[in-house]
Amino acid sequence: DVKVTQSSRYLVKRTGEKVFLECVQDMDHENMFWYRQDPGLGLRLIYFSYDVKMKEKGDIPEGYSVSREKKERFSLILESASTNQTSMYLCASSQHTGSSYEQYFGPGTRLTVT
Amino acid sequence: DQQVKQNSPSLSVQEGRISILNCDYTNSMFDYFLWYKKYPAEGPTFLISISSIKDKNEDGRFTVFLNKSAKHLSLHIVPSQPGDSAVYFCAAEDNQGGKLIFGQGTELSVKP
Repeated sequence: DVKVTQSSRYLVKRTGEKVFLECVQDMDHENMFWYRQDPGLGLRLIYFSYDVKMKEKGDIPEGYSVSREKKERFSLILESASTNQTSMYLCASSQHTGSSYEQYFGPGTRLTVT
Repeated sequence: DQQVKQNSPSLSVQEGRISILNCDYTNSMFDYFLWYKKYPAEGPTFLISISSIKDKNEDGRFTVFLNKSAKHLSLHIVPSQPGDSAVYFCAAEDNQGGKLIFGQGTELSVKP
């Protein structure tokens, strides 16, 4: 079974803090993704990575950065948290090639910025 | 600019009846579509997919229909069960090696 784990299920941070969200997958997938989910807006892609050390901006990268030092780990960084970054954050992974394009998701981190 | 749209934020269906969830897209270059199901406080899980070379794909109680000329797909759940109550997202693969574009989601409630 594919397993994607995220470091925290719930997190409360103060405005201006630096926040690290960690994601680890155990299926040797090349691709990894970070999304945020907000009511009425669906899942919006923040950043993704097709390989170690590689990163690509998604649709809403402002205020975020990422790090992929190892294949199995993809970190999302909020450099200076703001209240509009309160959201559910979802990490996903997928194989680089294949016919299904299926992404496997972690359980999510509910981040509240006060 | 929303390339994948789910125009119904919610749907309520009686147990045993059919649930039909709809999804529209704007980019005719999309060639692979997926449906995900999401329970509260959990990550989305893959449900069913369809390639653009097909117009129907069936898996048990779940069937996805694709109408390329109308740029429309739908998910049918028959018969609906209370455990199907969740948020359903449709997604399209955008020809960039695995990047998916998601719709806004439809919250399905199946009442006993």
